[in-house]
Amino acid sequence: AQTVTQSQPEMSVQEAETVTLSCTYDTSESNYYLFWYKQPPSRQMILVIRQEAYKQQNATENRFSVNFQKAAKSFSLKISDSQLGDTAMYFCAFMRFLTNFGNEKLTFGTGTRLTIIP
Amino acid sequence: EAQVTQNPRYLITVTGKKLTVTCSQNMNHEYMSWYRQDPGLGLRQIYYSMNVEVTDKGDVPEGYKVSRKEKRNFPLILESPSPNQTSLYFCASSRGVNTEAFFGQGTRLTVV
Repeated sequence: AQTVTQSQPEMSVQEAETVTLSCTYDTSESNYYLFWYKQPPSRQMILVIRQEAYKQQNATENRFSVNFQKAAKSFSLKISDSQLGDTAMYFCAFMRFLTNFGNEKLTFGTGTRLTIIP
Repeated sequence: EAQVTQNPRYLITVTGKKLTVTCSQNMNHEYMSWYRQDPGLGLRQIYYSMNVEVTDKGDVPEGYKVSRKEKRNFPLILESPSPNQTSLYFCASSRGVNTEAFFGQGTRLTVV
């Protein structure tokens, strides 16, 4: 079974600064996907970024980037030039790679509540 | 607009009174799933469905039922709700193997 650990329950940072959210995971799978989801006060789950484990290059999406360390089983999210709209709960999630149709289960961490201070 | 729609968004009910939370997607997705979100526990999978009439248990299925009679709909049924089922519930769907999950807006359920 897979586990995902987010060791920072809460973080805060000044607007325009850079912040890094940590995530570690445990799996015996060699191929899988990792995700960061954002949950603002509206409760909507919004996909921020996705990383395929077989890709060595770290994924980036505008101000969001990841540091994926496969050997260390670490997957941190960096938010650059943070904005007030980045205030949200952030969840790290794992999904195994399927070769056939099966359970596309996402295994989530417990979340990090990020507050951007004006 | 491609979306997953859950209803209701908020529900307060009493112990033992059967309820159904509906989930509908308009993307012709094969795969659908239900999660519950609790503080300090993240989201955990309750049930999933790989196609019409194909459903199976997730990690926390006790006290829940589901059905998949049509491809677009995947209702979550609580036959006899209890206070420990007070939670935030999410429905999700995806097109198929190794594809992105789309989430509904969430249903906040309180059982008193």
